[in-house]
Amino acid sequence: NAGVTQTPKFRVLKTGQSMTLLCAQDMNHEYMYWYRQDPGMGLRLIHYSVGEGTTAKGEVPDGYNVSRLKKQNFLLGLESAAPSQTSVYFCASSYSPRTQYFGPGTRLLVL
Amino acid sequence: SQQGEEDPQALSIQEGENATMNCSYKTSINNLQWYRQNSGRGLVHLILIRSNEREKHSGRLRVTLDTSKKSSSLLITASRAADTASYFCATDARETSGSRLTFGEGTQLTVNP
Repeated sequence: NAGVTQTPKFRVLKTGQSMTLLCAQDMNHEYMYWYRQDPGMGLRLIHYSVGEGTTAKGEVPDGYNVSRLKKQNFLLGLESAAPSQTSVYFCASSYSPRTQYFGPGTRLLVL
Repeated sequence: SQQGEEDPQALSIQEGENATMNCSYKTSINNLQWYRQNSGRGLVHLILIRSNEREKHSGRLRVTLDTSKKSSSLLITASRAADTASYFCATDARETSGSRLTFGEGTQLTVNP
């Protein structure tokens, strides 16, 4: 099993550009999450999903959108990137919040 | 704001010593978890302790939970250079109905060989 994978691993964007980050899991988990991690800070929840077709806002949802059309995939979109969105983005999945399995992260630089 | 706050922010010890990290949180919880993050990697789950448990062990890890003080501690015994990483506590708060975790800011542990 691949576990949780994230695409791409690294991306550079110009301010105003858009992009989509893809998270895929092969563990048949119901719950999926998108976090961002900034230097010296813990993980902050952006959006999450408790099942296929559902999404919910987390702690810092502004500037991001998500979709969960298939159970195994969770997409994070940035419609108009801003320098403040420079961060490392982590996806995670779980059967419940008891144990989350994390992907390797996507480093995003917005110039 | 973060539910969990780790203390200290950074800890440097020698190989073989014990490392203790603390976590405080604000609301009632279902459980509390500890995760490790090696540099440049995703987080890895270490151990979970339920709200009705006071202490739990896993190998060289010992976790305690004091719900009256809303605090937890992670003890790593006989530390190794490979334990160098950031350690995060995460709480499953009752107010969010078990749908998500809230992570603290982490403790950066450096174990010197």
